[in-house]
Amino acid sequence: KQEVTQIPAALSVPEGENLVLNCSFTDSAIYNLQWFRQDPGKGLTSLLLIQSSQREQTSGRLNASLDKSSGRSTLYIAASQPGDSATYLCAVGEDRGSNYKLTFGKGTLLTVNP
Amino acid sequence: DAGITQSPRHKVTETGTPVTLRCHQTENHRYMYWYRQDPGHGLRLIHYSYGVKDTDKGEVSDGYSVSRSKTEDFLLTLESATSSQTSVYFCAITSRPSGGADTQYFGPGTRLTVL
Repeated sequence: KQEVTQIPAALSVPEGENLVLNCSFTDSAIYNLQWFRQDPGKGLTSLLLIQSSQREQTSGRLNASLDKSSGRSTLYIAASQPGDSATYLCAVGEDRGSNYKLTFGKGTLLTVNP
Repeated sequence: DAGITQSPRHKVTETGTPVTLRCHQTENHRYMYWYRQDPGHGLRLIHYSYGVKDTDKGEVSDGYSVSRSKTEDFLLTLESATSSQTSVYFCAITSRPSGGADTQYFGPGTRLTVL
């Protein structure tokens, strides 16, 4: 059974700092890995998706990397802003025949202080 | 938001009553999912569907059933609600364009309270 762990559970940083969120998974036979953002009381918004054949993906100030062999992914946020404050979730995608499912970590609660 | 709506958005019910939550999508996606989100547990998969009338269980399916009679609607039913089913329920779809970039999109959520 796939297990996904996110460290740290919470992080508080001053505005402008670069930061790294970590995600680890137990079964390296993954199909893809997705990072999401969730604002309080809201649904999840997809940030980046890395396919199993890829090493990283970038979108604006966000960069996500994937190391399948070691079961790790990182989300790098450059020049953090108060608007980045949210919970960030990592999810591992597995494709068993025609069935595609995600297993989620419990998230990292990020607070960026002005 | 991939055209996903959930109804109702909020519901309060009593223990032992049946409850049905509806997820509706407008973009003809094959895969649909129901999750629950609870403090300390994160998001957990309840049931999912890979086509009309094709469904399978997720991690926490006990006490829940689903139905998908047409592509656009995926219903989650609590046959006899219990207080442990108080949670926020999210519906999701997977967009599977060619090339394997299977991005999952989420609905806004339904907050269910069972008294």
